[in-house]
Amino acid sequence: DAMVIQNPRYQVTQFGKPVTLSCSQTLNHNVMYWYQQKSSQAPKLLFHYYDKDFNNEADTPDNFQSRRPNTSFCFLDIRSPGLGDTAMYLCATSRDRGQGNEQFFGPGTRLTVL
Amino acid sequence: AQSVTQPDIHITVSEGASLELRCNYSYGATPYLFWYVQSPGQGLQLLLKYFSGDTLVQGIKGFEAEFKRSQSSFNLRKPSVHWSDAAEYFCAVRAGNTPLVFGKGTRLSVIA
Repeated sequence: DAMVIQNPRYQVTQFGKPVTLSCSQTLNHNVMYWYQQKSSQAPKLLFHYYDKDFNNEADTPDNFQSRRPNTSFCFLDIRSPGLGDTAMYLCATSRDRGQGNEQFFGPGTRLTVL
Repeated sequence: AQSVTQPDIHITVSEGASLELRCNYSYGATPYLFWYVQSPGQGLQLLLKYFSGDTLVQGIKGFEAEFKRSQSSFNLRKPSVHWSDAAEYFCAVRAGNTPLVFGKGTRLSVIA
C-alpha cells in the first residue's frame, strides 16, 4: 500500500543534542510537510517542500531545518533541541499544493527532549 | 486569515448513541473543509472533505458532515458511536494556497 512512513516512532534526546527525524513516502507526491503537535494541541505547520522548493512558515524557529534529497525522502533537523521542542512531529504529503489536495499523514515521531 | 473553532474540548457519549462534533470557521468565501481523526499516538486520518456541491458529505467509518454556509459551520455526525471511535477529532480549513489550518480538536470518549 502507498503510504507515508516516519522513523523513528519514538526518539529521546538530550537538551542541545542535534536530532534528525525521517519521513519517506511511496505516493510519489510533489509536496511534503512537517507539522509540530504539542500535547493536546492542534498540529502546527513548520514548513513544506514543493518539489525542491523549500517554504518556511514565518514563525518557525531557526533551530528547525529540513532537507529533501529526493522525491521520496524528507528530513527534519533540530539543531539544538530545547525542552519546549518535546512534541509529536507529523509528516504529511499531498499531490500538489492547491487547496483541494488531500494531505496524507504519517504516524508521527514522538520526540522527548530531556 | 481563516480560523477554525471547535467549541467542545471533550465530549463523552455512550456506545450506540448519536454524535455531533461542532466546527465553525471564519473566512470570507467558502474554504475547503476537512475532518481528520487521530487515535492516541497516531497520525491523522482524513474522514471526509467538502469542496462544493451537495452540502451533506459522507465519509469513512460511517461519519458524515453538513456544510451550512449561513452558520459558517461544518459539523461532524455519526448516528451510532462505537467504542473504537474514541479519538481526537480535528476540523481543518484551507483557502487558496494558504496552509491547512486546524481547530484545537475535540476529544471523544465512549462509555459502555
